[in-house]
Amino acid sequence: NAGVTQTPKFQVLKTGQSMTLQCAQDMNHNSMYWYRQDPGMGLRLIYYSASEGTTDKGEVPNGYNVSRLNKREFSLRLESAAPSQTSVYFCASSEGVLRNTGELFFGEGSRLTVL
Amino acid sequence: GQQLNQSPQSMFIQEGEDVSMNCTSSSIFNTWLWYKQDPGEGPVLLIALYKAGELTSNGRLTAQFGITRKDSFLNISASIPSDVGIYFCAGQGGYAGGTSYGKLTFGQGTILTVHP
Repeated sequence: NAGVTQTPKFQVLKTGQSMTLQCAQDMNHNSMYWYRQDPGMGLRLIYYSASEGTTDKGEVPNGYNVSRLNKREFSLRLESAAPSQTSVYFCASSEGVLRNTGELFFGEGSRLTVL
Repeated sequence: GQQLNQSPQSMFIQEGEDVSMNCTSSSIFNTWLWYKQDPGEGPVLLIALYKAGELTSNGRLTAQFGITRKDSFLNISASIPSDVGIYFCAGQGGYAGGTSYGKLTFGQGTILTVHP
């Protein structure tokens, strides 16, 4: 039972390079999210997708784009990486609007370093 | 935006001791949640609270939803080494079953270290 799977788990980029973080969930959840975790800052929402076909900005969307490819997959793209984007990125999913208990299911995280 | 202040930022305790941490907000939340993050893993839900004043237990964990809806606390009794990790509080402004899409505001986290 995989749950939420993120790739890659580790990545080192140079300033200005681009990359895409992939996320897939096998729980048939409607909603998916991307968070970043920085020391002393907790988890901050970058973008979310309430349902297939919709995406919305979260708290810290600048420098990122997302694609909800289908119900299972939600990718996060950095077009021109900056050192300030060095962080651990977490993808999460939830059942969505009809059963919004607040429970998010997280992936294991992707550690990104931008030099 | 909404902010949660979680304290303490870190705790170093001996195995067997009780632990208490809390979270306060300047905004009202309708759902409070507590998550735990093990090293190298994503956070996992421990306890969810849906009513002001609610007191809920899950094994050695007890959490309460403050009457004002602006705070919550988590207690861990008789700590063990596997309690090590980062504990996050989270608040949700929408009602369960509502349309807030699970957008949570997280606290900064409490890093818990348990010495055997």
